[in-house]
Amino acid sequence: ILNVEQSPQSLHVQEGDSTNFTCSFPSSNFYALHWYRWETAKSPEALFVMTLNGDEKKKGRISATLNTKEGYSYLYIKGSQPEDSATYLCASINTGTASKLTFGTGTRLQVTL
Amino acid sequence: GAGVSQSPSNKVTEKGKDVELRCDPISGHTALYWYRQSLGQGLEFLIYFQGNSAPDKSGLPSDRFSAERTGGSVSTLTIQRTQQEDSAVYLCASSLGSLSGETQYFGPGTRLLVL
Repeated sequence: ILNVEQSPQSLHVQEGDSTNFTCSFPSSNFYALHWYRWETAKSPEALFVMTLNGDEKKKGRISATLNTKEGYSYLYIKGSQPEDSATYLCASINTGTASKLTFGTGTRLQVTL
Repeated sequence: GAGVSQSPSNKVTEKGKDVELRCDPISGHTALYWYRQSLGQGLEFLIYFQGNSAPDKSGLPSDRFSAERTGGSVSTLTIQRTQQEDSAVYLCASSLGSLSGETQYFGPGTRLLVL
């Protein structure tokens, strides 16, 4: 993996469904992985910063896991609500690249009633 | 205090014109970043300022792009002789320091359309 890749590109779920997305990133020289939520017409909002292999973080109904050896992270949303509708971005930082985030193209989530 | 602010929120310009985009970071944040998102693309790093150090310009796509940060606070991104491919959302972010594990706080972006 040379770039940060996210899947699926878009997702449409019903209110109450649980869902998850994948972020794949270069595992060599890995330093940190960031997750952001970007709602239309708003600023990207930081969700998690993860650095350690096996890390699990949780914020309300949203959680994330990190596997630095194989280069992937999962973001989970439990009991999706319409307000969860947004684009979810992941970005990695490698050692030697200062703080420059390399972003994936995002997963666009739409939650309907 | 207030978050990162950017102006203008939207800008429509004609090909060949120069544009200036402004970013006001969170007070006290020493690091400032510019990114852009072109249609169908991921956010792309442009330039990074940290304190009084020389900026990291490695992401600027051409010499038509330049940025400065005055007094360690406000930053201006200038695009000269704009081209249609410059159309994108330009996002500014700031962080307290420059550690790679630090959260970057983003502004709402400037949507630039070059006709």
